[in-house]
Amino acid sequence: DAKTTQPNSMESNEEEPVHLPCNHSTISGTDYIHWYRQLPSQGPEYVIHGLTSNVNNRMASLAIAEDRKSSTLILHRATLRDAAVYYCILRDRGGGSNYKLTFGKGTLLTVNP
Amino acid sequence: DAGVTQSPTHLIKTRGQHVTLRCSPISGHKSVSWYQQVLGQGPQFIFQYYEKEERGRGNFPDRFSARQFPNYSSELNVNALLLGDSALYLCASSEWLEETQYFGPGTRLLVL
Repeated sequence: DAKTTQPNSMESNEEEPVHLPCNHSTISGTDYIHWYRQLPSQGPEYVIHGLTSNVNNRMASLAIAEDRKSSTLILHRATLRDAAVYYCILRDRGGGSNYKLTFGKGTLLTVNP
Repeated sequence: DAGVTQSPTHLIKTRGQHVTLRCSPISGHKSVSWYQQVLGQGPQFIFQYYEKEERGRGNFPDRFSARQFPNYSSELNVNALLLGDSALYLCASSEWLEETQYFGPGTRLLVL
């Protein structure tokens, strides 16, 4: 499985934008980039995913580098409820029979009031 | 619409016992996956089922087994519990195998 590298932790202030980086230099052409987050004592929550183009949804934006070797999850205005562990995951949709998610340790985001 | 539901929410067992965890997927979802999350780590993949067939298995011993029922709900069974099986067990469902997985709140298992 292709691996991702994320900072162990990041800190932000409430109502400010947050840019969470992810490096995935060994990404293959059929790997989608997925982001999940996990709030304390909860199951992981899907945030966003993309292949090549930047993506936006109501929760966040995903900026993907042109060479696809890195990506950035953007929270436009952080709130205290965004404090969580954020996981960047590569998932192969190339036709294999196993579509598991391989989680790393993620980035612990702290949001200061 | 209801999300993925899991039962029980918490469970305490002793070493050597057997446990069954249950998962109901989001309505219309045909695939269920199971993950184990020990404290301080990310979730680790255990099984994936689609249309009642096992489609993927992680690096877990044979003490772990699962099945999916005709209504797409699923059970995870763990035999001969060890202290190291203490973890949060997560179920995720997706409409098809390759679609986005949505997680339930998990079952927290403590083995004493």
